[in-house]
Amino acid sequence: QSVLTQPPSVSGAPGQRVTISCTGSSSNIGAGYAVHWYQQLPGTAPKLLISDNDNRPSGVPDRFSGSKSGTSASLAITGLQAEDEADYYCQCFDRSLSGSYVFGTGTKVSVL
Amino acid sequence: EVQLVESGGGLVEPGESLRLSCAASGFTFRTHTFNWVRQAPGKGLEWVASISGDGIYFYYADSVKGRFTISTDNAKVSVYLQMNSLRADDTAMYYCATWGGDSKKGYYFDNWGPGTLVTVSS
Repeated sequence: QSVLTQPPSVSGAPGQRVTISCTGSSSNIGAGYAVHWYQQLPGTAPKLLISDNDNRPSGVPDRFSGSKSGTSASLAITGLQAEDEADYYCQCFDRSLSGSYVFGTGTKVSVL
Repeated sequence: EVQLVESGGGLVEPGESLRLSCAASGFTFRTHTFNWVRQAPGKGLEWVASISGDGIYFYYADSVKGRFTISTDNAKVSVYLQMNSLRADDTAMYYCATWGGDSKKGYYFDNWGPGTLVTVSS
């Protein structure tokens, strides 16, 4: 089972702001390792959305933003659009699991 | 343009073997680290294995250690995942992905292939 916990689903109307939490522990997020976020559209491979807590790769709209505090991190989507309906995963390094790269449980974002 | 294309998936019975391939193009193969990440049907993502482009460093998730072997072929600019003693819970889409970032902060997966489906069933 994943060591990073996310809410199963969040939803919002077009134009609204939604946030997705990612809760870890002292062996991953709390140990100072960066949190990264991925967007997975239906039937496609994941795509890097946010790297190193709050960096947007080239081409990612600025309505996506990331933050980290303590043993948790968050992804915010402002000005929600229909095309944002997807699964979102956080990811981090965990030093307690033989040095594993772990993903969050995943959150389904629905646009009402 | 960075491209990763997986192949080799299919239907196998429990206990059998399968070898996945990932063909890379658009970047310098030896300077990257390659990974396999899998996703069981309707489930989340799971990192499986990593290997440096020069084939020297490699790492495995505990769930596949001793059964799976990751390797590279610089001449063919490809990465492989040899999967032995396959089990039903290995059924998943297998993605090839490259690492970005650094070891101090922890790497992320910056380029992904479209995936290849492995089904283990009798």
